[in-house]
Amino acid sequence: DGGITQSPKYLFRKEGQNVTLSCEQNLNHDAMYWYRQDPGQGLRLIYYSQIVNDFQKGDIAEGYSVSREKKESFPLTVTSAQKNPTAFYLCASSIIGQGENTGELFFGEGSRLTVL
Amino acid sequence: AQSVTQLDSQVPVFEEAPVELRCNYSSSVSVYLFWYVQYPNQGLQLLLKYLSGSTLVKGINGFEAEFNKSQTSFHLRKPSVHISDTAEYFCAVSEPGGSYIPTFGRGTSLIVHP
Repeated sequence: DGGITQSPKYLFRKEGQNVTLSCEQNLNHDAMYWYRQDPGQGLRLIYYSQIVNDFQKGDIAEGYSVSREKKESFPLTVTSAQKNPTAFYLCASSIIGQGENTGELFFGEGSRLTVL
Repeated sequence: AQSVTQLDSQVPVFEEAPVELRCNYSSSVSVYLFWYVQYPNQGLQLLLKYLSGSTLVKGINGFEAEFNKSQTSFHLRKPSVHISDTAEYFCAVSEPGGSYIPTFGRGTSLIVHP
């Protein structure tokens, strides 16, 4: 089945440590996204990528980094510079332009990061 | 710039009662509109979407929404809810012809009581 796989589902980290969240898709989508979700704040865009080897900052990119070396993969690194990293992180993908799924985001199951 | 307002953070309702979750948007151009549902500790899944054409859109699980351009609204409705509809619901808007990146509302928690 086609879809998006995020790992790990739960992750604990000590302050000062970097951590990388994995996101893989087999939907052949060009665009991929990372969102952060906090209670009552909806989804906030961290980074997005519309083509391999290129990515753009979203609304809250500070303290995060990404790479897009392959179309299928878009890992997110939460660095020690992120002051409040405890959150639920969601990866998504989409087509670009017109088509049957125009504008629709397909989401992974999420990764919950807790900083101890 | 586009924005979305979900007017209610929480909506409690009894099982088999009707429900409406409100969503208003602002945009200077034509829009695409979406409703997503999120069950606890899961990702979001699409309920329904409006791209063009008929303003009444039907989605999965018996939900429907109506696009009202004059009121810039896209309210979600269901005539009779079930316990299993308890979840977080997100409204989103994107602008065709641009980046297509959606802007999400803050979400409405639907709580269905027996």
